Amino acid sequence: EAQVTQNPRYLITVTGKKLTVTCSQNMNHEYMSWYRQDPGLGLRQIYYSMNVEVTDKGDVPEGYKVSRKEKRNFPLILESPSPNQTSLYFCASSAGGARQYFGPGTRLTVL
Amino acid sequence: GQQLNQSPQSMFIQEGEDVSMNCTSSSIFNTWLWYKQDPGEGPVLLIALYKAGELTSNGRLTAQFGITRKDSFLNISASIPSDVGIYFCAGPPHNNAGNMLTFGGGTRLMVKP
Repeated sequence: EAQVTQNPRYLITVTGKKLTVTCSQNMNHEYMSWYRQDPGLGLRQIYYSMNVEVTDKGDVPEGYKVSRKEKRNFPLILESPSPNQTSLYFCASSAGGARQYFGPGTRLTVL
Repeated sequence: GQQLNQSPQSMFIQEGEDVSMNCTSSSIFNTWLWYKQDPGEGPVLLIALYKAGELTSNGRLTAQFGITRKDSFLNISASIPSDVGIYFCAGPPHNNAGNMLTFGGGTRLMVKP
């Protein structure tokens, strides 16, 4: 089954404790993205990747890092999480064009 | 960056009623997408529009690409309880180097059986 998977689905952590949210897709897509969803703001893009070793900032990249060492994986790294990064995070992949496939989401709470 | 304004922000309707929502932008979009997000899930693409004036249906859903290229509309006919969720409009910005999407703030639909 074609899908985008994310782990963990839920995470509660404390300020400053480094964390990684993994994302994997099995559709051989070149494009992958991370979004955060906050009430009333829709989804805002954090980082995107056009291919292995090619990443760039989206609209709200501050406080986040990404890497793309393999085509299927695109982890999101928070080196020093802060409470304003409490949000719902989505990974997405695409073969190009506008259509994107989204993962199930990771709900992160930073205390 | 470019912004998409969606309205209404939320709707509470009776089962069987028709629903209309829209999305506007201050700048031109060449593609309009409508996604639905079920509770606890990621967004799923409902309809994609690629040409100004285009009218496309997907079951009880109909979406239109505005002729000015600055707006789009989504209609749901004869709503049912499983229509509950958040509906997002989205589109790729002009210089879309990274396959980015700009999203509207969403319309939360609640359906009373």
